[in-house]
Amino acid sequence: KAGVTQTPRYLIKTRGQQVTLSCSPISGHRSVSWYQQTPGQGLQFLFEYFSETQRNKGNFPGRFSGRQFSNSRSEMNVSTLELGDSALYLCASSLSVNPGELFFGEGSRLTVL
Amino acid sequence: TQLLEQSPQFLSIQEGENLTVYCNSSSVFSSLQWYRQEPGEGPVLLVTVVTGGEVKKLKRLTFQFGDARKDSSLHITAAQPGDTGLYLCAGGTNQAGTALIFGKGTTLSVSS
Repeated sequence: KAGVTQTPRYLIKTRGQQVTLSCSPISGHRSVSWYQQTPGQGLQFLFEYFSETQRNKGNFPGRFSGRQFSNSRSEMNVSTLELGDSALYLCASSLSVNPGELFFGEGSRLTVL
Repeated sequence: TQLLEQSPQFLSIQEGENLTVYCNSSSVFSSLQWYRQEPGEGPVLLVTVVTGGEVKKLKRLTFQFGDARKDSSLHITAAQPGDTGLYLCAGGTNQAGTALIFGKGTTLSVSS
């Protein structure tokens, strides 16, 4: 079956712009989580959605937001981009909200200039 | 704040050697997962351990969860170049759902 699909794979933005990243989970998976991966901090949890509801949110500023649609697809948005937002943004889907297996996409590599 | 300290950060060894990666915390986790990530890809789950003292084997990889569920180790026997990658441990709690706490990872390089 198809894995987790993230688009776009690479993008370059300038400071102050905003960006929207998309994630299509594995068919049948209703939970979608987003993580930010940087060389200095590693993987850090952004937020988790289940059945269109945000269940958990990590310690990130309000510039980071997300949503989930009725077909379980999810988007995350970062407004007023800063240089420090440059990172690999990973989406993961799972069958349930329990800490079970997460299936990660290949990520969206964001560079902020 | 829950943290997972992973060591060593980098490991460069020759094919055939053994190695151990450690993951330590002062917090108790209900489960501990190990992932492997290759360049340009997302992490892929290797194993999940949930019981204190649990040992799981996956071919040449042996995973152990500490008795107090605060630490874990990954041991690779007779490493091969195909084992090269970034190894990540991640702790989860039932309350936090899929909001896992990740260690910063161990970059393993195995040369032939």
